[in-house]
Amino acid sequence: NAGVTQTPKFQVLKTGQSMTLQCAQDMNHNSMYWYRQDPGMGLRLIYYSASEGTTDKGEVPNGYNVSRLNKREFSLRLESAAPSQTSVYFCASSRGQDGQPQHFGDGTRLSIL
Amino acid sequence: QKEVEQNSGPLSVPEGAIASLNCTYSDRGSQSFFWYRQYSGKSPELIMFIYSNGDKEDGRFTAQLNKASQYVSLLIRDSQPSDSATYLCAVKGSGGYQKVTFGIGTKLQVIP
Repeated sequence: NAGVTQTPKFQVLKTGQSMTLQCAQDMNHNSMYWYRQDPGMGLRLIYYSASEGTTDKGEVPNGYNVSRLNKREFSLRLESAAPSQTSVYFCASSRGQDGQPQHFGDGTRLSIL
Repeated sequence: QKEVEQNSGPLSVPEGAIASLNCTYSDRGSQSFFWYRQYSGKSPELIMFIYSNGDKEDGRFTAQLNKASQYVSLLIRDSQPSDSATYLCAVKGSGGYQKVTFGIGTKLQVIP
């Protein structure tokens, strides 16, 4: 039972490049989330998906897009990476639709040069 | 004013002592409160949640909630070096469906 799987674990991009962070969960959870974690800022919600087929903006959505491909997968895309998007990105999931993340992936450490 | 405030620490306690981690929140309508543990370089792990005023115990962990004072705490009894981690407080507020706000976390160091 893998839980929440994120790929890649590390990535270095140049300013202006695009990339997609992948996330998949095998717990049949309804809700999935993307967070970023920066020193001194705490975890901040970027986007969430309360159920398959729905996505909504969180606290810091600018510069990102998401796709809930199916119940298992929720991807995060950076269309034109900026140095301010250097961060650790966590995907999370929860069984219910109460907004509380239960299980987190291992994270993606992303550096934008 | 930050919505969820925690002292970043580090909080150092000797092995076997009680560690007390504190969190205050600004949204008086908040209903649900969570504690996550995050080891260095790892992802957060949900360890406790509390919804009602008072204490909730789970093994060596006790969560305490005082809604009137807008204060939530986590006590760790018989602290072990393996408890050394950053503890994140999270609060589900009244503003919207997914409004869970995290504090910056308190780093706990348990000294053998």
